[in-house]
Amino acid sequence: EADIYQTPRYLVIGTGKKITLECSQTMGHDKMYWYQQDPGMELHLIHYSYGVNSTEKGDLSSESTVSRIRTEHFPLTLESARPSHTSQYLCASGTGSSPLHFGNGTRLTVT
Amino acid sequence: DQQVKQNSPSLSVQEGRISILNCDYTNSMFDYFLWYKKYPAEGPTFLISISSIKDKNEDGRFTVFLNKSAKHLSLHIVPSQPGDSAVYFCATRSKGSTLGRLYFGRGTQLTVWP
Repeated sequence: EADIYQTPRYLVIGTGKKITLECSQTMGHDKMYWYQQDPGMELHLIHYSYGVNSTEKGDLSSESTVSRIRTEHFPLTLESARPSHTSQYLCASGTGSSPLHFGNGTRLTVT
Repeated sequence: DQQVKQNSPSLSVQEGRISILNCDYTNSMFDYFLWYKKYPAEGPTFLISISSIKDKNEDGRFTVFLNKSAKHLSLHIVPSQPGDSAVYFCATRSKGSTLGRLYFGRGTQLTVWP
């Protein structure tokens, strides 16, 4: 059973559209993360948040933006989708010394 | 440049035998190492971890070994079961970072056949 939810699971969208990938967790975790993974490649951290109103860019440069207005919610937005944004986006949460708990991901395809 | 390398993209093992998955890293500042398991269409799930102050950690059928001098860790699964078939990711963090700021390898696809 998933305690961290990502929607949509799959998204096919045209170039230039604005999209928001949703991520919510019910565990009360203070820390949340967005990772990006291309097929057969490593996961890369693109955004993270250590609490409400706190967001930082990760190790991989991304044109996406994030917000953290509520503890349980950490959406990722692309203002203008491009084919280079085609990838899998994985949201995760954690607290203290506990390992990350990942959602099931959103597979984004931009045509 | 990859800081965490899993040089075997795939591994095929017969049920009941040992599976050994390997991982190499480059940065001596990494102090905590984790293995995640990923089934298709699901997110990675945590499997086992080891701190750099240890050289072995066991959890049931899963054992992780760490060789700091060689900057190498391995995951042993004994005995392997068909349900272990998944992609296994090695991950690590820099000293002082949280457990969320991880560096991942590219994964090894393990297939356990009956």
